[in-house]
Amino acid sequence: KNEVEQSPQNLTAQEGEFITINCSYSVGISALHWLQQHPGGGIVSLFMLSSGKKKHGRLIATINIQEKHSSLHITASHPRDSAVYICAVKKDSNYQLIWGAGTKLIIKP
Amino acid sequence: DAGVIQSPRHEVTEMGQEVTLRCKPISGHNSLFWYRQTMMRGLELLIYFNNNVPIDDSGMPEDRFSAKMPNASFSTLKIQPSEPRDSAVYFCASSFQSGAGELFFGEGSRLTVL
Repeated sequence: KNEVEQSPQNLTAQEGEFITINCSYSVGISALHWLQQHPGGGIVSLFMLSSGKKKHGRLIATINIQEKHSSLHITASHPRDSAVYICAVKKDSNYQLIWGAGTKLIIKP
Repeated sequence: DAGVIQSPRHEVTEMGQEVTLRCKPISGHNSLFWYRQTMMRGLELLIYFNNNVPIDDSGMPEDRFSAKMPNASFSTLKIQPSEPRDSAVYFCASSFQSGAGELFFGEGSRLTVL
C-alpha cells in the first residue's frame, strides 16, 4: 500500500461545480503540500499545511492530523483549473517528500 | 521576486552527448532539490543540497549523473553520456528552513535524447 493515496485518480466536472480532491497518508508527518501542474507545465505550490485549514482565492485546503487525511476544495470551478493536483507529505524530521500519484482534473465549460 | 530559474527549457540531443542543466534557486533559500519526472515513474528525487552541500544523492540513477552546487545561487545537473532513457522533465526546486518550508519549483527542463 502506498504511503500517500489520492482520490479520485481522474475527475471531470462542469464549470461552476464544487470540487473535492482527497489525500490520505499512513505515516507521521510534519507538513502536507498541495501542488498543481498544468499539462506540459511547471509545478506550483498551492498550500503547505500542518494543521487546520487554509484558503487562497477559490481554493481551500484542510487537514485532519488525527485521521491522517487532507482535502483540497475548489469553489466555482473554471476550465483554467484543469490540471493535475498533487498531494505530498513531509515525514517527521526528514526533508524527503512522499508524493501522491496525482489527481487529473478536467473542468468542462 | 524572481522564482526558481532553470535553463534550458528544452534540450534535444543525441545519445552519447553531454547535457548540462542549470538552476538558480530563490535568493535566501538554503535547500535545493533536483527532481526527474516521467510518465512511468512520476516525480523522483535525484539529489538534495542543504547550504550548498549534497545531503542525499541516493536518487541519482548512476555514475553518468552528477550534480554540483558551487554557491548558494547556482546548481548544475550533468548527464554524461546521455541515453534515450534519460528523456524526461527535470525540475529544480528550492525552499528555506532546510527543506521544511514551502517548496518552489522552476519551470523544468524538458530533455529529449535521440
